[in-house]
Amino acid sequence: DTGVSQNPRHKITKRGQNVTFRCDPISEHNRLYWYRQTLGQGPEFLTYFQNEAQLEKSRLLSDRFSAERPKGSFSTLEIQRTEQGDSAMYLCASRTGSLDNSPLHFGNGTRLTVT
Amino acid sequence: GENVEQHPSTLSVQEGDSAVIKCTYSDSASNYFPWYKQELGKGPQLIIDIRSNVGEKKDQRIAVTLNKTAKHFSLHITETQPEDSAVYFCAASGTDSSYKLIFGSGTRLLVRP
Repeated sequence: DTGVSQNPRHKITKRGQNVTFRCDPISEHNRLYWYRQTLGQGPEFLTYFQNEAQLEKSRLLSDRFSAERPKGSFSTLEIQRTEQGDSAMYLCASRTGSLDNSPLHFGNGTRLTVT
Repeated sequence: GENVEQHPSTLSVQEGDSAVIKCTYSDSASNYFPWYKQELGKGPQLIIDIRSNVGEKKDQRIAVTLNKTAKHFSLHITETQPEDSAVYFCAASGTDSSYKLIFGSGTRLLVRP
């Protein structure tokens, strides 16, 4: 499978715990995005990487959220001190190029449930 | 910033009929408009996209039209089949540094056999 890979697919955690999700983009895709999707809504932009540089962060990304892409390949999204409002599907997407709207390909997401 | 509105929120059609989903966007600088299909438990899958220099694009049973003046774009599915049942999202993107997509709220399409 050469698509965007996300792990784990599901995560259940207790409020206050930290969680980390991983995204492996399509090979050679230098641009990587994280989105959050709640039930019945469209995906909402969280953050964007070009290679290893995090170039944009949404106001949705509180200081409890941190994302990294250390070698410009896979990326991790960490949520510290989880809250029930963090329950959502976290989607990763990647695309090639740097200065255009090439097709954006999504993974199947990590569904987070905070109890 | 960009805002995308999508209608209807739900759509039920008989197999073989056509389905039309409409979106409007607010930022006249937006120039890329993809459509995604999302099935239960999966991520959004790109099904067709259109750029602002084109008014219409077709791919088999799927077509997208764009009216830049009115800032409207629509998805047309002809000869619908039960496997077309899913949630469909429109999105828009401009030329800001991230080229991020702004999504509509989705349309749940049910194709009745």
